[in-house]
Amino acid sequence: ELKVEQNPLFLSMQEGKNYTIYCNYSTTSDRLYWYRQDPGKSLESLFVLLSNGAVKQEGRLMASLDTKARLSTLHITAAVHDLSATYFCAVVLYNNNDMRFGAGTRLTVKP
Amino acid sequence: KAGVTQTPRYLIKTRGQQVTLSCSPISGHRSVSWYQQTPGQGLQFLFEYFSETQRNKGNFPGRFSGRQFSNSRSEMNVSTLELGDSALYLCASSLHRANTGELFFGEGSRLTVL
Repeated sequence: ELKVEQNPLFLSMQEGKNYTIYCNYSTTSDRLYWYRQDPGKSLESLFVLLSNGAVKQEGRLMASLDTKARLSTLHITAAVHDLSATYFCAVVLYNNNDMRFGAGTRLTVKP
Repeated sequence: KAGVTQTPRYLIKTRGQQVTLSCSPISGHRSVSWYQQTPGQGLQFLFEYFSETQRNKGNFPGRFSGRQFSNSRSEMNVSTLELGDSALYLCASSLHRANTGELFFGEGSRLTVL
């Protein structure tokens, strides 16, 4: 059964600092997604990672995928308050249509 | 380009009633998938419809059902509502099958069961 674990679940950081959110999954997968959700809002797609070694960057966020380690990271560089949100990773089971979401990481960036 | 539209946005029902939620995907998108989001269970996949056919189903009881119309609009129905069905129900559309590309989510329908 595909299990997706995110850590940390809660992250409070100062503006200007760097930090990494981790997403581990339990079985073979060939694609991984990162989403952002603001309070009371829907999910916004951030990155789609399709292959081993894939790295994508958008502004202060960079996502990477290591399919051999079954690990994806979302790195935050020089955090700003606007990045405060909940971040979800979602994994699609290889050769299947099953998509599982992590529990989410609630990020708070303090001035 | 219009996004994914879900109606109603908020609704309150009582136990035992049934509810129908609607989702209009982005124009041209053929896949609609539904998710339930609760504080305790997080985001859970309900089902996916593609070309009017249910392609995949999550681990939910038969009280949860759905359908897709020829214009790709989708509805989900929950019968005999229980308190635990209180949740944010999100639908997402994609151009192709949900597991092959980017998903675009609607604002959600927040259901409260009293």
